[in-house]
This record gives sequence, C-alpha cells and structure tokens, in this order.
Amino acid sequence: QLQLQESGPGLVKPSETLSLTCTVSGGFISGSGYYWGWIRQPPGKGLEWIGSIYYSGSTYYNPSLKSRLTISVDTSKNQFSLKLSSVTAADTAVYYCARQYSYGWVWFDPWGQGSLVTVSS
Amino acid sequence: EIVLTQSPGTLSLSPGERATLSCRASQSISSSYLAWYQQKPGQAPRLLIYGASSRATGIPDRFSGSGSGTDFTLTISRLEPEDFAVYYCQQYGSSPFTFGPGTKVDIK
Repeated sequence: QLQLQESGPGLVKPSETLSLTCTVSGGFISGSGYYWGWIRQPPGKGLEWIGSIYYSGSTYYNPSLKSRLTISVDTSKNQFSLKLSSVTAADTAVYYCARQYSYGWVWFDPWGQGSLVTVSS
Repeated sequence: EIVLTQSPGTLSLSPGERATLSCRASQSISSSYLAWYQQKPGQAPRLLIYGASSRATGIPDRFSGSGSGTDFTLTISRLEPEDFAVYYCQQYGSSPFTFGPGTKVDIK
C-alpha cells in the first residue's frame, strides 16, 4: 500500500525558505508513470495546488507561486521535495504531498497526512 | 484560471438522507476533468470521484458524480455517520488546477 510522509521544519521565519520533503513508501517514484504533487491548505481554508514533478525531474508549477518555487526529486531516496523562498505569513499552511495520476489527469490519490508550517518570527 | 464555486456552503442533514452537492465552474471544464474529495477534521483529503463520474478505488457506491461543462454534482444517496465531512471539487482541465471552497455536510 502506497504511503507518503511529509517532513521538515514546522516553523520558518519571514523572508526565509520553506523546505519540505515527501518520502514515498510501498512503491517507487520512478518508472510508474505517475506524477507527484504538492498541495497546501491554510488553517481553516481551502486547498491550493502548488506544483508537480515527474521522476525525470520535469516540473510544472502554479503560476502564482512559480517565482518562489522549486520542486525536485531524488529517486535514490524515493523522495521529492519542495522549496518556497521569501515566505510570508500568507504561506502558513498544512502542506500535503500526494501522488498525481498523470500529467494530464491531475487528481491526487493518496495523500500524505500533511505537515503544518507556520511562518513567524 | 478556472474558479470553482460550491453550494451550499453547509448542508445539514440526518443519517439516511440524500445529499446533493453542487460545483460550478467559471468556464467550461474540458473532458469533464473534475474530481471530488472528502476531508474529515485533522485528516488529509481522500479522493472520491475523478473524471466527473468515476468512483475511486474502495469508494462505496452510495457516492456518485455527474455533470459536464460548468455544472457538476456529487450525490450521496444515503448518508452514513462517517460521511459527515467537508467535500471539495477540483478541476484539472486547465492549469492552474483549482479547488472549490468546499461544502460542509453536518448532522442535523
């Protein structure tokens, strides 16, 4: 059974870089045809797609975050990662990683449990 | 960017009743590229429906999706106690892929 687990600091200072890693178990990131995505949810609010990556390193991002965003993959560790620079309080959210069915069929299943990241000094 | 609107914001029903949730898009969604998710407090969303009407693996058949173009519906035929949750629609017809604000189904 495929499982995803987010990890990273729970507190980041304003203007710094938020970094999270998603570790995939029960399956392989590479060679499966799936993409891998990041989605976030500010406390008490709705969901926002951040961006997605293929095992080859091909990425596509939400234009609203693109200038600050880097998503990368490490197939040797079966992990993919998120870096969001110049964070503000508006970036405070639960960050989820999830498997995405494909490039064009962008639904997410399953999801990790989520990691709360608070931006505060 | 396609904006999704969900209605009602909250739906108060009793177990055994039928729930009808609406998702409306600001422009037509190509090829019915719409998904539905269920989220319970403190949990990650769970995929229910993709392709507007295809149930995800393990999803009970009391959940059904329909619609095309700009108007989509999620129906729960008979509410079970575990179905009280927030439901989100998501479009993947065009990037950026966007979610609706959610409909909360709570116990009347």
